[in-house]
Amino acid sequence: QMQLQESGPGLVKPSETLSLTCTVSGASVRSHYWTWIRQPPGRRLEWIGYNSYSGTSDYWPSLKSRVTISIDTSTNQFSLKLNSVTAADTAIYYCARGSTGAFDYWSQGTLVTVSS
Amino acid sequence: EIVLTQSPGTLSLSPGERATLSCRASQSVNSKFFAWYQQRPGQAPRLLIHGSTNRANGIPDRFSGSGSGTDFTLTISRLEPEDFAVYYCQQYDAFPPFTFGPGTRVDIK
Repeated sequence: QMQLQESGPGLVKPSETLSLTCTVSGASVRSHYWTWIRQPPGRRLEWIGYNSYSGTSDYWPSLKSRVTISIDTSTNQFSLKLNSVTAADTAIYYCARGSTGAFDYWSQGTLVTVSS
Repeated sequence: EIVLTQSPGTLSLSPGERATLSCRASQSVNSKFFAWYQQRPGQAPRLLIHGSTNRANGIPDRFSGSGSGTDFTLTISRLEPEDFAVYYCQQYDAFPPFTFGPGTRVDIK
């Protein structure tokens, strides 16, 4: 059974970089699309972006200048880096597998708070 | 960006009743690229329906999806206790970005 587990700090200071890692078990990151999605408090889910082993990637235009998603096949992980964070980046962050655009496996989610 | 609107915001029903949830898109969406998710409290979203009508692996047949163009529907034929949750629609036709609806909460009446 495939599982995804995110890890990283739950508190990030304004203007710093938010970094999260998603460990994939039961599947290889060499196939499919690996995605980050977030949910700010009281708001709808927001797709952040995806990357794939083949190098195909795309990001939400509103975040594109600040975000990078990378894949590490040696550890079967993928990661999210979001620069210059503000309080508006406070959210539950999920990692997920994309399959033709729908997301068929998700992590449990981790709350990241941006605060000094 | 395609904006999705869901109605109603909250649906109060009893176990065994039928639930009908709606999602409307701000522009036409290819029905091949439309999905529904369920999120129970404290859990991650779970894919229910993809391609507007196809149940994901392990999803019971009381869940069904329909629709085309700008109007899509998720139907739960007979509510079970575990079905009381929040349901989100999603389009993956025109991206970036992939977009989600605001959700419909199905509460126990």
